[in-house]
Amino acid sequence: DAGVIQSPRHEVTEMGQEVTLRCKPISGHNSLFWYRQTMMRGLELLIYFNNNVPIDDSGMPEDRFSAKMPNASFSTLKIQPSEPRDSAVYFCASSPGTGGAGRSPLHFGNGTRLTVT
Amino acid sequence: SQELEQSPQSLIVQEGKNLTINCTSSKTLYGLYWYKQKYGEGLIFLMMLQKGGEEKSHEKITAKLDEKKQQSSLHITASQPSHAGIYLCGARAYSGAGSYQLTFGKGTKLSVIP
Repeated sequence: DAGVIQSPRHEVTEMGQEVTLRCKPISGHNSLFWYRQTMMRGLELLIYFNNNVPIDDSGMPEDRFSAKMPNASFSTLKIQPSEPRDSAVYFCASSPGTGGAGRSPLHFGNGTRLTVT
Repeated sequence: SQELEQSPQSLIVQEGKNLTINCTSSKTLYGLYWYKQKYGEGLIFLMMLQKGGEEKSHEKITAKLDEKKQQSSLHITASQPSHAGIYLCGARAYSGAGSYQLTFGKGTKLSVIP
């Protein structure tokens, strides 16, 4: 069984550049989540989708961040322009069923480590 | 919003020793999830607890949710180097429109010395 697949695993970019992170959820899962992890703030929910529709994006820090889910098997998180304070590990997770976390556990990808210099 | 406090922040134990990690919330926990994370990797689901007083075990790891559903503990018996990593608790938090999200504690870093 393929798990949640994220790419790239590592991304190093210069301040001001556009960054696109990609995620392929587990087939059949209806909910997809983007989290950001830093030492200071821990794991923070940025946005989640149910059936490809964004439901709650209140965690998206600024307008520089945007996320899309054009179909059930693909999502992107874009940062434009990137800033050094965006450096973090970004995780994508998926779960079966709708209603957000519901009662099913989230399945996480291995994350993308973003470094903005 | 739901805030989860984990303690201790870090823990170093000798192989073979028992240990306990705690997760506390100021609000009632409607679902409590334990995950393990190794450096550079994603979170691996360990266990989910939903009922007050519930206890679950998997191999040498036992998780409990107290009767008031505001505190959970994760206990490892006879720790091994393979138990090393970061343990995070997550809880369901209502986010409106009948939807619940998972919020997480900041994690407990466990090191096991052979």
